[in-house]
Amino acid sequence: GQQVQQSPASLVLQEGENAELQCNFSTSLNSMQWFYQRPGGSLVSLFYNPSGTKHSGRLTSTTVIKERRSSLHISSSQTTDSGTYLCALEPGTGSNRLTFGKGTKFSLIP
Amino acid sequence: EAGVTQSPRYAVLQEGQAVSFWCDPISGHDTLYWYQQPRDQGPQLLVYFRDEAVIDNSQLPSDRFSAVRPKGTNSTLKIQSAKQGDTATYLCASSFDRGVSNERLFFGHGTKLSVL
Repeated sequence: GQQVQQSPASLVLQEGENAELQCNFSTSLNSMQWFYQRPGGSLVSLFYNPSGTKHSGRLTSTTVIKERRSSLHISSSQTTDSGTYLCALEPGTGSNRLTFGKGTKFSLIP
Repeated sequence: EAGVTQSPRYAVLQEGQAVSFWCDPISGHDTLYWYQQPRDQGPQLLVYFRDEAVIDNSQLPSDRFSAVRPKGTNSTLKIQSAKQGDTATYLCASSFDRGVSNERLFFGHGTKLSVL
């Protein structure tokens, strides 16, 4: 089965609402990484989060290893937040092979 | 500091044609990755190098795909005889931490390939 499952596949919110994106994993984890991708654009790293909670502006990432999940919270979402958000698992085996989820397509209604 | 540069940005081929993608990583980065991202999917690692050495190419279809990084700087990914299933965006990424982790990983804009 898929090692990294991301949900929801797509999310449409009104501007100003909060968004919660989830990533569940089934293998050993060294770290979970969250990326942002604009249509036709490169990936930008948002968080490198082995465990616990990290903040960056309106973004918060929480990784709970024993529950095999990581989340990305976007508060007071803005139209510029639109795009695809991807989580990627760095395995606990020492390999550099990142395993990506399929992504969440996030759209804002003004 | 210049980012990861890829060319071309777009490529359209007929099945059976060959194509090469080029990547210039951030100066000084020792580790370079090639990912394939089909439409509506996450990127999937094809191959990665540390300096000029291939570290992992287990997911590279070796019958038609090849990748080189001869001087440990720029890299070329080549598809010898493209198939429609190769339609995807090909992303290059680089990092400098002796490949210890992916924490400081930088991606290029990718090359969008369409095989008709």
